[in-house]
Amino acid sequence: GAGVSQSPSNKVTEKGKDVELRCDPISGHTALYWYRQSLGQGLEFLIYFQGNSAPDKSGLPSDRFSAERTGGSVSTLTIQRTQQEDSAVYLCASSLGRGFTDTQYFGPGTRLTVL
Amino acid sequence: GQNIDQPTEMTATEGAIVQINCTYQTSGFNGLFWYQQHAGEAPTFLSYNVLDGLEEKGRFSSFLSRSKGYSYLLLKELQMKDSASYLCAVRTTGFQKLVFGTGTRLLVSP
Repeated sequence: GAGVSQSPSNKVTEKGKDVELRCDPISGHTALYWYRQSLGQGLEFLIYFQGNSAPDKSGLPSDRFSAERTGGSVSTLTIQRTQQEDSAVYLCASSLGRGFTDTQYFGPGTRLTVL
Repeated sequence: GQNIDQPTEMTATEGAIVQINCTYQTSGFNGLFWYQQHAGEAPTFLSYNVLDGLEEKGRFSSFLSRSKGYSYLLLKELQMKDSASYLCAVRTTGFQKLVFGTGTRLLVSP
């Protein structure tokens, strides 16, 4: 079946503009995660959804970042008033959301460049 | 706090064996994952350990010692396509998020 998909694959924007990044998880996966990967850094957790609710938003770096998930499927990560330090690859992952060995499967990411 | 350490870079020769180490200090532990990431691509799942010992999966094996906060990924019969970054990640207790190390870039030469 289809894996996790993300769009756009690349986004170049100007400082101060808002951007929306989209994630389509694997069908049937109830859990969805957003991570950020900056150059030379490890993956940094941003937010976790179980269904449409987000029990863990602890990784969102500021109130400029928000995310939502609708219908237990597609999720959108919104960054308002982008800054140059927001430049990174934003990765989405999904998992079944249950079981001890629950494994996250990643999408190809959106490369965001803020000029 | 959470701390996961891996070597930044390793080199090895085609056909050889390489061991990539990972040490962790986390506020909880609910499993350790290894992912492979080729440049510009998504991380792909390699292995999962939650109990002490060795898990073998073809050319790849992963070992865990919870008392030492230590894991390694062993790659045998290296191939050129194994050149990639290898990410160690810990699932802490509570929710499902993973805490990642910075990754080990492996370069396999002929």
